[in-house]
Amino acid sequence: DTGVSQNPRHKITKRGQNVTFRCDPISEHNRLYWYRQTLGQGPEFLTYFQNEAQLEKSRLLSDRFSAERPKGSFSTLEIQRTEQGDSAMYLCASSSGQSSTDTQYFGPGTRLTVL
Amino acid sequence: AQSVTQPDIHITVSEGASLELRCNYSYGATPYLFWYVQSPGQGLQLLLKYFSGDTLVQGIKGFEAEFKRSQSSFNLRKPSVHWSDAAEYFCAAEGGGADGLTFGKGTHLIIQP
Repeated sequence: DTGVSQNPRHKITKRGQNVTFRCDPISEHNRLYWYRQTLGQGPEFLTYFQNEAQLEKSRLLSDRFSAERPKGSFSTLEIQRTEQGDSAMYLCASSSGQSSTDTQYFGPGTRLTVL
Repeated sequence: AQSVTQPDIHITVSEGASLELRCNYSYGATPYLFWYVQSPGQGLQLLLKYFSGDTLVQGIKGFEAEFKRSQSSFNLRKPSVHWSDAAEYFCAAEGGGADGLTFGKGTHLIIQP
C-alpha cells in the first residue's frame, strides 16, 4: 500500500486555461475527498465520493469545477477557465468508508499556480 | 456555522520544552475531532483522533490531546519537543451532517535550539 497519490505535484497555467488533476486513493478505499488549501489557511472541503457517486459538494465548488470518479477508483478534478484566485494546493484524501469513524488519509497535494 | 478555531498562528518553543497547541470548536453537537501535522512537501499526517470515550487521547510521535466538552476545546500537547516537530499543525472536526472535515487555520510551530 503506497498511500494516496496525486499527479501532477505542481501545475503552472495561464489564466483562462483548463487544468485537470488526478488522485489515486488507497486501494479498496470507497470514499474519496477533495480539499483546497490556500496559503496560510487550513484545507477547505470541496467534494466527496462514495465509490463512483458524488455525494456532497461545497458551495466553494463553482460551476467551473467538476470532479469525477468514473470507476470508483481514481478521481479527477477539472478546473475550467482558470482564474488567479484558483491558485492553491489541491488535496485529495481517501477513507475506507466502512464506518462513520473512518480516518481520512491525505495525499501530498497538487500545487496550482495560475499566472 | 460550524467552525474550528486555532488561536495561535505561530508558536515558538525551545527544544526539549513542553508544548500545548490550542483548538476550539463550535458545533451543535460534539463532533469527531482530529489533529493533523503538515511538513513542507508532505501530505497531512494524522496525529490522533477523538470520537468518544476517554477524553485523553494518545497519538503518534509522543503527542496527546485532551477533549474538554465544557470548554469546547481539544488541545494538543507534547511533554518534550524535538527539532523534527517543527511543522504546521491543524485541528479538524467532522460532524453536524457534513462528511468533509472542517479545519482550523493552523498553528506554525517553530523549534528553537
